[in-house]
Amino acid sequence: NAGVTQTPKFRVLKTGQSMTLLCAQDMNHEYMYWYRQDPGMGLRLIHYSVGEGTTAKGEVPDGYNVSRLKKQNFLLGLESAAPSQTSVYFCASSYKWPTYEQYFGPGTRLTVT
Amino acid sequence: AQSVTQLDSQVPVFEEAPVELRCNYSSSVSVYLFWYVQYPNQGLQLLLKYLSGSTLVKGINGFEAEFNKSQTSFHLRKPSVHISDTAEYFCAVSFSGGYNKLIFGAGTRLAVHP
Repeated sequence: NAGVTQTPKFRVLKTGQSMTLLCAQDMNHEYMYWYRQDPGMGLRLIHYSVGEGTTAKGEVPDGYNVSRLKKQNFLLGLESAAPSQTSVYFCASSYKWPTYEQYFGPGTRLTVT
Repeated sequence: AQSVTQLDSQVPVFEEAPVELRCNYSSSVSVYLFWYVQYPNQGLQLLLKYLSGSTLVKGINGFEAEFNKSQTSFHLRKPSVHISDTAEYFCAVSFSGGYNKLIFGAGTRLAVHP
């Protein structure tokens, strides 16, 4: 039981390049989330999904797109990376109920130069 | 709108001393409250949560927290810390009907010194 996994662990991009971050969970969770973590700001929600084929915007969605074609996977895309997107990205998942807690992946450290 | 304030960005403490990490929240609806811990270069791990019932909740690693509705607080405490407790601690809230989305505080870095 791997829990929540993220690929890749590290990535360096040049401004304007694109990339996709992959999140996978093996707990059959209905809900999945993408957060970014920046110093002194905690974690902020980028996008989330409440089920296969559905996505919704979070607090800081600009510059990102997501897809959830399979229940266990949640992809985060950057179409044209900017230095402001340098951050650590965390994926999380949770059951719909009754525990309400989220389980987090190990994170992806992204640097945009 | 909901928000979370962690009143201390850094808390230095000596080993075996007690510690309290403070968290206040703002919300017009009922909330669920969480404390997560992040060790260096790792993801977040749940320490404890308050969903309903007893306002004193116990978590892993000897931590506990008390929900105070009148003061809108959820402070985290440990009676005797260890070097291994050195980490960043995040307070977070979610609310009923919110798809378990979390709103995080900025975090408190706990540094335990020998």
